[in-house]
Parts: sequence; structure tokens; C-alpha cells
Amino acid sequence: EDQVTQSPEALRLQEGESSSLNCSYTVSGLRGLFWYRQDPGKGPEFLFTLYSAGEEKEKERLKATLTKKESFLHITAPKPEDSATYLCAVQAVGYSTLTFGKGTMLLVSP
Amino acid sequence: SAVISQKPSRDICQRGTSLTIQCQVDSQVTMMFWYRQQPGQSLTLIATANQGSEATYESGFVIDKFPISRPNLTFSTLTVSNMSPEDSSIYLCSFKGGGNEKLFFGSGTQLSVL
Repeated sequence: EDQVTQSPEALRLQEGESSSLNCSYTVSGLRGLFWYRQDPGKGPEFLFTLYSAGEEKEKERLKATLTKKESFLHITAPKPEDSATYLCAVQAVGYSTLTFGKGTMLLVSP
Repeated sequence: SAVISQKPSRDICQRGTSLTIQCQVDSQVTMMFWYRQQPGQSLTLIATANQGSEATYESGFVIDKFPISRPNLTFSTLTVSNMSPEDSSIYLCSFKGGGNEKLFFGSGTQLSVL
């Protein structure tokens, strides 16, 4: 059974204080690993897809990396508007559905 | 990218009643998905809805409780039947776009059952 574990559950940062969120996964064969951002009262918003170990993708202050067992979402010099819940999900080879983690709630204080 | 609209955005319902949630996409999509998001829990897939065929339900979810319609390639509904307080949750519709790789989500329906 596919499993996704995200840590920490919650993270509080000062503006400008860089950090990383972790997503550990177990999947029979990885088709893709996805990162989403979810603001309160809204549906998740797509950020990145990673397909193979060693792959990296960047978007503004966010960079996602992937190994064979985990993915990191690095946040560089975060701003208050980066406050949100970040979700990680995996898709196994041969399946069209995603398995999600519980998310990391990030709060960035000015 | 396609726009997905979901309604209602929230509702408060009485125990034993049913609520139908609607999801409209502004372009044709093959597969639509319905998720439940309970507080402190991960997004859980309820079912996959394909146009012209019965929805495929995940373990723990049954058609009598969560009937789904998919009358065309742009629209789907999820009904939460005979509701109890345990059904209080956020319900999300989604579809695959961007080369069938990315999941796009509606804004969700916040359901509270009294």
C-alpha cells in the first residue's frame, strides 16, 4: 500500500528564515511525486511534479527535490504570503490516482 | 488551464438529509475525481467518475452513500446521502489536466452536519 508521510505537521518561520519540508514515501513504483499548496477555504493548487531521483524544480522561493525515498520542499527567504498548507502526493506506476500526505501547515510571520 | 467551479462552497445540514455537490469544468475532461478532506487527515479519494460508465469507488466508500453522476465530459455531481455528523468534512472535485499529469481542484464544499 502506498504511503506518504509529511513532516513537520506545522512549521512557524520568521520572514526570511529559510527551511525545508519533508515528504517521505513508500510506493511500489513511482510514476510521479506532486507538491500542492492549499490556502484556507480553497482547493489545493498545483506546484510541482517530480519523476525521478535527482530531479529538482524551482518556482520563485520554492525548490522541490526528490530522492528514492523522500522529497524536500525548500523555502528560501519566505514571506508571509507563503503561509499555507503544503501537500505532497505520489502516483504509482499503472495507477491514475494519487495518495496524499496530511500536509505541513506553514506560518510565516513578518 | 481549465477552470473548475464547485458549489455550494459550504452548507450546514441536518442529520438524515442529503446534499448534492456540483462540479463544472470549462473544458471536456475524461476523468473526474471526488475527494474528502477531514480535519487533520489527508485527502482521501472517494471515487473516480468517468463519463458514460459507473463511478469506481475506493475501499470504504459505497455508491448508496455517495452516489455520483457524470452526465457529460464537463460536469459531475456527488451526493452525500443520509448524512450523519461523521460526514462533516470538506469535499473536493478534481480532474486531470496539463497532459493528464496534474490534478486540478475545485474550491471545495465545507459540509457541517448537525
